[in-house]
Amino acid sequence: AQSVTQPDIHITVSEGASLELRCNYSYGATPYLFWYVQSPGQGLQLLLKYFSGDTLVQGIKGFEAEFKRSQSSFNLRKPSVHWSDAAEYFCAVGAGYGGATNKLIFGTGTLLAVQP
Amino acid sequence: KAGVTQTPRYLIKTRGQQVTLSCSPISGHRSVSWYQQTPGQGLQFLFEYFSETQRNKGNFPGRFSGRQFSNSRSEMNVSTLELGDSALYLCASKLRSTGSSTDTQYFGPGTRLTVL
Repeated sequence: AQSVTQPDIHITVSEGASLELRCNYSYGATPYLFWYVQSPGQGLQLLLKYFSGDTLVQGIKGFEAEFKRSQSSFNLRKPSVHWSDAAEYFCAVGAGYGGATNKLIFGTGTLLAVQP
Repeated sequence: KAGVTQTPRYLIKTRGQQVTLSCSPISGHRSVSWYQQTPGQGLQFLFEYFSETQRNKGNFPGRFSGRQFSNSRSEMNVSTLELGDSALYLCASKLRSTGSSTDTQYFGPGTRLTVL
C-alpha cells in the first residue's frame, strides 16, 4: 500500500539558516510527489511537485526538492529560512483510479518553527 | 480567479445529528476531492467526484457521503455524528480527473466541524 513518512514531527531553525525536511514514500510505480504548506487556519498551498524528468524540482517561495528513487525520498530544502516560513509542511504521494493526482496520501506533517 | 470556497467555515453539532458541508471549486474545475484532517489521523482522503460521479473513495464508513452537482459544486454529508468526526474538512478542486502533471489540486480553507 502507498504511504508517506515524515520522520520529523517538529523542527526549529534560526532565521537565515538552511532547512531540509525529510520525506520517504512507499509506492509501487513511479510516484507523483508533492509538498504542501499549511499556515494556521488556512488550507493547503502547493509548494512544488514531481512527476517525471529532472529530479531536482523548483517551487514557490524559494523551496526546492530532490527526488531520489534509490532512497525513496523527496526531501524539501530551502537555503535561507524566513520567519514567514513558519508553518506545517506536508509531503504527499498521488494515487487513485483514473490518474495519480486524484487521491493524495499525506504524511503526518512537519511543524516548522523559526527563531529570530 | 476566485479560489476554492467552503461553507460554512465553522460548525458546531451534537452527537447523533447530521451535517452538510459545501464546496465551490475554482471556476472551470470539474474534479472535487474531500479530505478530513485530525490531529490523530492527519490528512485522510474521503472521496473524489468528477462530472457528478464518484471516482475514488477512501476508507471511511458509509455515514460519510458526498455528491456533485452539474455546476461542479460539491457537498459532503455526515450522518449520525460521532465525537471522532470533529475535524477540519478540506475540499480541493482541479481541472480534470487525470494524471496529467498540470492537473494540480487546489485546496480551500476548510470547514472546522466540532461535535459535542
